[in-house]
Amino acid sequence: RKEVEQDPGPFNVPEGATVAFNCTYSNSASQSFFWYRQDCRKEPKLLMSVYSSGNEDGRFTAQLNRASQYISLLIRDSKLSDSATYLCVIDTGRRALTFGSGTRLQVQP
Amino acid sequence: DARVTQTPRHKVTEMGQEVTMRCQPILGHNTVFWYRQTMMQGLELLAYFRNRAPLDDSGMPKDRFSAEMPDATLATLKIQPSEPRDSAVYFCASGQGVSTDTQYFGPGTRLTVL
Repeated sequence: RKEVEQDPGPFNVPEGATVAFNCTYSNSASQSFFWYRQDCRKEPKLLMSVYSSGNEDGRFTAQLNRASQYISLLIRDSKLSDSATYLCVIDTGRRALTFGSGTRLQVQP
Repeated sequence: DARVTQTPRHKVTEMGQEVTMRCQPILGHNTVFWYRQTMMQGLELLAYFRNRAPLDDSGMPKDRFSAEMPDATLATLKIQPSEPRDSAVYFCASGQGVSTDTQYFGPGTRLTVL
């Protein structure tokens, strides 16, 4: 089993739709969780950290489910500009973070 | 607006040649990471440094890759000799504090080895 697993997608959704991605992790002792966004041919950029209590930033909501060992990202009212690859990033017990392979989102007009 | 810088942005070279990639971390950041990204493998950690000391380079092919931080403002990743399978985008990232905190990525070096 991979340390961090994501559905590669693509998720094709119309503008205005709500879309959610999950990411599962294997190390129950993981402490740090993030979502990064990567646009085509660009570098990954931090979208948001994921806290135990969940957190919201505008149209984006991130949640952590320790019991089932996954994190989620919910995007409401999707915009064309949300089209990107979303990387799940987790502290897997190694000395650095582990990046998932990403979920591709394509928002269509 | 502080950011990580990387040079060169693009590099095309022939198999067997030496390639050196450079990274300037954000001033004040004490952790520097080197990653490689390909379509097949995704983002792989090659090596990272904290306070200029190498902490983990287990992701790096030791026979041809080397990573150094000659000073706090410069990190280098060298491939000698380069091979076609090294073709990828190489990202440098920097951060403050421990290695599991937020990282800020540079724009990457797109390497093509013919």
